[in-house]
Amino acid sequence: DADVTQTPRNRITKTGKRIMLECSQTKGHDRMYWYRQDPGLGLRLIYYSFDVKDINKGEISDGYSVSRQAQAKFSLSLESAIPNQTALYFCATSDFSGIDEQFFGPGTRLTVL
Amino acid sequence: AQTVTQSQPEMSVQEAETVTLSCTYDTSESDYYLFWYKQPPSRQMILVIRQEAYKQQNATENRFSVNFQKAAKSFSLKISDSQLGDAAMYFCAFMDSNYQLIWGAGTKLIIKP
Repeated sequence: DADVTQTPRNRITKTGKRIMLECSQTKGHDRMYWYRQDPGLGLRLIYYSFDVKDINKGEISDGYSVSRQAQAKFSLSLESAIPNQTALYFCATSDFSGIDEQFFGPGTRLTVL
Repeated sequence: AQTVTQSQPEMSVQEAETVTLSCTYDTSESDYYLFWYKQPPSRQMILVIRQEAYKQQNATENRFSVNFQKAAKSFSLKISDSQLGDAAMYFCAFMDSNYQLIWGAGTKLIIKP
């Protein structure tokens, strides 16, 4: 089984809809991240969490919110989706020091019409 | 602000040959980490190699090695004996003192059989 899972893998939605992307991990890591990938721009950090009670905004948090339900679960919500939020979304985890590699989920491709 | 620049949007190499992917970064920090990640068509992000800035010795992982020039803020990836399975997007990333990854825009590597 994959260490970091994301659901759904693909999603098409309409403008104005609320969308939740879910991430679960079995690695026992404290740190979890949500990234967005757009063509030609690499990955950009949306939110990150160093433990269940610690959530921080990343570079592009506007229009997004997160919830850290447990050490193993970190959800990303788009309260009112808009077309320019069409992108590939990645969840990642790392250990407490953060200096080791970040382990990525398989990604969720979101299309907002 | 810290930035990572990958100046080669696309590179191609003949199978079994050697190719070097370029990466430069900008930071005022002295201690940091640098990474190369690979993203094949499956879109999974996979760590290729990492380098600690305080280490002068260049990191090596089998056919993958880096040329780390701290003063020049350069971190290039060399792939020796290129294989068809090396075809992917390659991303350079810088980890800052807050353990956040800052990513380059990526280089698409094409392997010619």
